[in-house]
Amino acid sequence: NAGVTQTPKFQVLKTGQSMTLQCAQDMNHEYMSWYRQDPGMGLRLIHYSVGAGITDQGEVPNGYNVSRSTTEDFPLRLLSAAPSQTSVYFCASRDRGNIANYGYTFGSGTRLTVV
Amino acid sequence: EDQVTQSPEALRLQEGESSSLNCSYTVSGLRGLFWYRQDPGKGPEFLFTLYSAGEEKEKERLKATLTKKESFLHITAPKPEDSATYLCAVQAMDTGFQKLVFGTGTRLLVSP
Repeated sequence: NAGVTQTPKFQVLKTGQSMTLQCAQDMNHEYMSWYRQDPGMGLRLIHYSVGAGITDQGEVPNGYNVSRSTTEDFPLRLLSAAPSQTSVYFCASRDRGNIANYGYTFGSGTRLTVV
Repeated sequence: EDQVTQSPEALRLQEGESSSLNCSYTVSGLRGLFWYRQDPGKGPEFLFTLYSAGEEKEKERLKATLTKKESFLHITAPKPEDSATYLCAVQAMDTGFQKLVFGTGTRLLVSP
């Protein structure tokens, strides 16, 4: 049981480049989310999904795109990277039916630097 | 706007020296308050969910409590392995189950 797997762990991009951050979970969780974590700021929600084919915007969605074609995978696309997108990105998932425990399982993160 | 403020920003304790971390929140109807632990270079690890004022939950040396305006994470007789950043987050009644608002965390260092 791997939990939530994020790849790559580190990435350096040039301004204007595009890339996809991968996220996969093997717990059959319906709910998945992407957060970014910046120094001095709390984790901020970028996009989320409540199931395959269903996505919605979070607090800071601009410059990012998501899709969810399977329960397991929830990739995050950076359309045209900007230095302001330098951050650590976390993917998280949760079991929809686990009412007693709303806690998310987080991946280990992708550290992205845009130069 | 939903807000979470954690204090102190950093806390240094000696092994065995008990203390508390604070999480103050402003939310339009609380659905749940969450505590996470985050080690350097890793993702947050879920600790507790609290739903209503007066509720308490315990796990080893940690105990979380909740009032209508704040939550405390009490650490009893901490050990060096308790060193980490502790994050608090809230979920409001009028938002979806996905939307957590996080505080900036308290960095805890426990010295032997």
